[in-house]
Amino acid sequence: AAGVIQSPRHLIKEKRETATLKCYPIPRHDTVYWYQQGPGQDPQFLISFYEKMQSDKGSIPDRFSAQQFSDYHSELNMSSLELGDSALYFCASSPGMDSPITDTQYFGPGTRLTVL
Amino acid sequence: AQTVTQSQPEMSVQEAETVTLSCTYDTSESNYYLFWYKQPPSRQMILVIRQEAYKQQNATENRFSVNFQKAAKSFSLKISDSQLGDTAMYFCAFTDISNFGNEKLTFGTGTRLTIIP
Repeated sequence: AAGVIQSPRHLIKEKRETATLKCYPIPRHDTVYWYQQGPGQDPQFLISFYEKMQSDKGSIPDRFSAQQFSDYHSELNMSSLELGDSALYFCASSPGMDSPITDTQYFGPGTRLTVL
Repeated sequence: AQTVTQSQPEMSVQEAETVTLSCTYDTSESNYYLFWYKQPPSRQMILVIRQEAYKQQNATENRFSVNFQKAAKSFSLKISDSQLGDTAMYFCAFTDISNFGNEKLTFGTGTRLTIIP
């Protein structure tokens, strides 16, 4: 079965640089979520999109922005990177209300971002 | 705001034994789902099991089952016949489905489970 695809899998950046993380949801999933997991921590919700519109926002810094495109893929843009942004960034997707497993999130493999 | 508490930071059990991981949560909502996710050393987040709050029957998935006590706001995971591949961090998670657009997952701090050969 198709899974959530994230790219790149690993990314190394310098402080104050920018980074773009991409997420391709499972086909026919209409909602995308982004989470940040720091070392030894649980995942923290950043932002979500439903049908290309932002649906919820969590503890996402103003330096970060995200969007969902017409093909449902999503991108997380991170600017003025700081050392503290080093983390594993997960994208998850969930199916629509016509699915028996609606509101169940399936995670991608994550993008490991290292800021030097 | 919802909170999820996992009071067992680490657990270990012999292979083939049964182990139970605890989770409690706090919410004022009545419509929600609860999940257990597994994160092995590869760091992939893998869905283990899902429970809808409106269902009284406990969910089961092969060797994995839950004990859902809604009044006590308790949601424990039982792993039967544990296998070496069960070694992982296990996260309990909550999602509120009562308000559209508010389905983000709130995670507990995790329980690191080690299966001993």
